[in-house]
Amino acid sequence: EAGVAQSPRYKIIEKRQSVAFWCNPISGHATLYWYQQILGQGPKLLIQFQNNGVVDDSQLPKDRFSAERLKGVDSTLKIQPAKLEDSAVYLCASSPGQGDEKLFFGSGTQLSVL
Amino acid sequence: SQKIEQNSEALNIQEGKTATLTCNYTNYSPAYLQWYRQDPGRGPVFLLLIRENEKEKRKERLKVTFDTTLKQSLFHITASQPADSATYLCALDFSGGYNKLIFGAGTRLAVHP
Repeated sequence: EAGVAQSPRYKIIEKRQSVAFWCNPISGHATLYWYQQILGQGPKLLIQFQNNGVVDDSQLPKDRFSAERLKGVDSTLKIQPAKLEDSAVYLCASSPGQGDEKLFFGSGTQLSVL
Repeated sequence: SQKIEQNSEALNIQEGKTATLTCNYTNYSPAYLQWYRQDPGRGPVFLLLIRENEKEKRKERLKVTFDTTLKQSLFHITASQPADSATYLCALDFSGGYNKLIFGAGTRLAVHP
């Protein structure tokens, strides 16, 4: 089966600019996650969707980050305006749900904010 | 708040030996614990899941244990190979099964021929 697709693979922007990341989860997976992974750290959950509804966004900096999941399938994560500390890898993951808790991750988008 | 600790120093072992990685946590126990492998420039890949009421799980050369008294999970790779070299992450669900995982920082394993 096809894996989780993410784009772009790399992005370099200047601070205060905006950026958007796209994710296409594995077909049929109800739950979609966005994680932020700073170099040397483990992934940190930003937002979790169940179908097209938000389950948890308690760690999403809502003054600058936004995310949506269109029709319960694809998702986009946006940062506006970006700060230097947003430099990280943004990982999208999906899981089947219904008792199957393992996460399938995409390769991520590496963001550098200059 | 919950804290998860994994050895921050890299673990270097000889090919053929058993690698043992540790994941410690504080406060209350998670509903389940997962282990992932992450290679440079890639997303984590799921390896094993062990639930609160399970002591041990095995999959091929991999074994994970879960001790809620010690608040610790151990991850073993037997007959290690250079291809096992990667960073290994533990992830814990403290949300009562809603799969809101908190990841440790990971331990880098290097298996030398």
